[in-house]
Amino acid sequence: GDSVTQMEGPVTLSEEAFLTINCTYTATGYPSLFWYVQYPGEGLQLLLKATKADDKGSNKGFEATYRKETTSFHLEKGSVQVSDSAVYFCALSEPGGGYQKVTFGTGTKLQVIP
Amino acid sequence: DAGVIQSPRHEVTEMGQEVTLRCKPISGHDYLFWYRQTMMRGLELLIYFNNNVPIDDSGMPEDRFSAKMPNASFSTLKIQPSEPRDSAVYFCASKGAGTGELFFGEGSRLTVL
Repeated sequence: GDSVTQMEGPVTLSEEAFLTINCTYTATGYPSLFWYVQYPGEGLQLLLKATKADDKGSNKGFEATYRKETTSFHLEKGSVQVSDSAVYFCALSEPGGGYQKVTFGTGTKLQVIP
Repeated sequence: DAGVIQSPRHEVTEMGQEVTLRCKPISGHDYLFWYRQTMMRGLELLIYFNNNVPIDDSGMPEDRFSAKMPNASFSTLKIQPSEPRDSAVYFCASKGAGTGELFFGEGSRLTVL
């Protein structure tokens, strides 16, 4: 079945540091890939997505590239801010069956210190 | 659009009481999902509906949990009787057909004493 593996957290970085959160996936077809972010006390919200190989999703300075050959979708940001402190979830959804199910990773907590 | 609306935002109850959580999905979305989030187990899918019909309830922990979707604009998740281990944040999410993008509500934080 489908699965998503994320790097263990928490990740603690100083402000303006470079961020990478690793995500790899297992899927039977050609899934769409997503990063969701959850700020404290809130629900998850979509951060970015990519629907096919080599697509790059980007939003709010975050980027992730759909790498089919390595089945990866790593999240990066060049310079993090304190306001980026949140939990980040990698997810996938397969087109077979009309994207019915969304499979989430376990989440990676990011703490950015001033 | 108002987004996915959940109520109550916070619920504190005593063991053995019935708890009902409510969700209004985004208008026009065909799918509705109920998730539970805890520190120990992370984000768990409990059940999801397509066009008001339950499709997969394999994540529902036990018979004390039930979910209904009587129409396209309303769903409930009921726990009867509640137990302390049910304490968690329960999220409702909805999405349209042909896309994997989920829209989450702000969650209902349940505390069972």
